Amino acid sequence: AQSVSQHNHHVILSEAASLELGCNYSYGGTVNLFWYVQYPGQHLQLLLKYFSGDPLVKGIKGFEAEFIKSKFSFNLRKPSVQWSDTAEYFCAVNVEDMGRRALTFGSGTRLQVQP
Amino acid sequence: NAGVMQNPRHLVRRRGQEARLRCSPMKGHSHVYWYRQLPEEGLKFMVYLQKENIIDESGMPKERFSAEFPKEGPSILRIQQVVRGDSAAYFCASSPTGATHEQYFGPGTRLTVT
Repeated sequence: AQSVSQHNHHVILSEAASLELGCNYSYGGTVNLFWYVQYPGQHLQLLLKYFSGDPLVKGIKGFEAEFIKSKFSFNLRKPSVQWSDTAEYFCAVNVEDMGRRALTFGSGTRLQVQP
Repeated sequence: NAGVMQNPRHLVRRRGQEARLRCSPMKGHSHVYWYRQLPEEGLKFMVYLQKENIIDESGMPKERFSAEFPKEGPSILRIQQVVRGDSAAYFCASSPTGATHEQYFGPGTRLTVT
């Protein structure tokens, strides 16, 4: 079964710092990749997604992610974080080849941005 | 267009009671997914339903848990004889087709078993 690893469980940054959150998955076939964000007290929202094509994906709110197939990675980046980016971030994978619709999520990274 | 609705948002049950969690998908969506999030863990897939059909229940515990999505009304996740280990946040997502990339999540129901 596929799995998703998010190595950073809790990240604390100051405003304007650059952000990179790691995500690795374990499956060698065709995958669809996602980053979701959950702001305090709110539901999960899709930040960005990758299915095919350009491995550098741009999402909402200035976030981007790069798919590196050889490293089985899909790291999330933002050049300059804001206090309002404080949230929990989840990486998720769907294995297209298996014909299933379920998403497999990582355990999440809690980002705290200090003003 | 209202988003995915879940109710109740918080549910407290004593051990042995039944818990019923409801999910109303977005208008026009006929596919529903349930996920569970245990403390300090990511979301885990439980079940995928279309109207009146269970398509994939590979993530559902074999006992005490059931789900339905009737022709009319919300999808229901039912947990019988709850135990403390069932305490978690339960999230519902919906999509207009079975395409994974179109899953929209609800706010979740936080179940506490005392």
